[in-house]
Amino acid sequence: DTEVTQTPKHLVMGMTNKKSLKCEQHMGHRAMYWYKQKAKKPPELMFVYSYEKLSINESVPSRFSPECPNSSLLNLHLHALQPEDSALYLCASSQAGFGVDEKLFFGSGTQLSVL
Amino acid sequence: DAKTTQPNSMESNEEEPVHLPCNHSTISGTDYIHWYRQLPSQGPEYVIHGLTSNVNNRMASLAIAEDRKSSTLILHRATLRDAAVYYCIPNTGFQKLVFGTGTRLLVSP
Repeated sequence: DTEVTQTPKHLVMGMTNKKSLKCEQHMGHRAMYWYKQKAKKPPELMFVYSYEKLSINESVPSRFSPECPNSSLLNLHLHALQPEDSALYLCASSQAGFGVDEKLFFGSGTQLSVL
Repeated sequence: DAKTTQPNSMESNEEEPVHLPCNHSTISGTDYIHWYRQLPSQGPEYVIHGLTSNVNNRMASLAIAEDRKSSTLILHRATLRDAAVYYCIPNTGFQKLVFGTGTRLLVSP
């Protein structure tokens, strides 16, 4: 199984809502990633978890809160978002995150709209 | 991070070979060159990677210049399904795969 599964596929939320994005993989990977992608732009790295510990936070605003409950699961908790946070949120995983020849496996993303 | 330069877009006809160039003149000696592609409405998918030698897999071939300052992704027979944005990415191995602007490949029947 080489799949990274993201739910939900689409999400519409108001600026005062709290919601969560979920990502799951069963490849035994120990590194998991959140990327954000605006329309017609390349993906931008947000967070990296390695062995369930946050290893990289690319200066992401605190209204985005990542969580890695176990090695297979990655969540992104959303609170008080702004309309400009509307984007495609992509999850990815890789074996451990340290190898120069490691491949990333991406999910199909959650398309988020903030009203 | 090593900078990459790719054409914004390229066009091809179906069943013709496609050569997608990438300039990465600031790459360090240990960075692998990775290629990913993103089909419409999907997440990026791994295509191929290499260090110095040319590489082949079922999807594509990767030709790396001897000085490693550039590489070319080769799709031997383009299909409509190959229409995507192709990203060339030097991988430093520090968990930060940084995407450049990529090349949008258009394939005509």
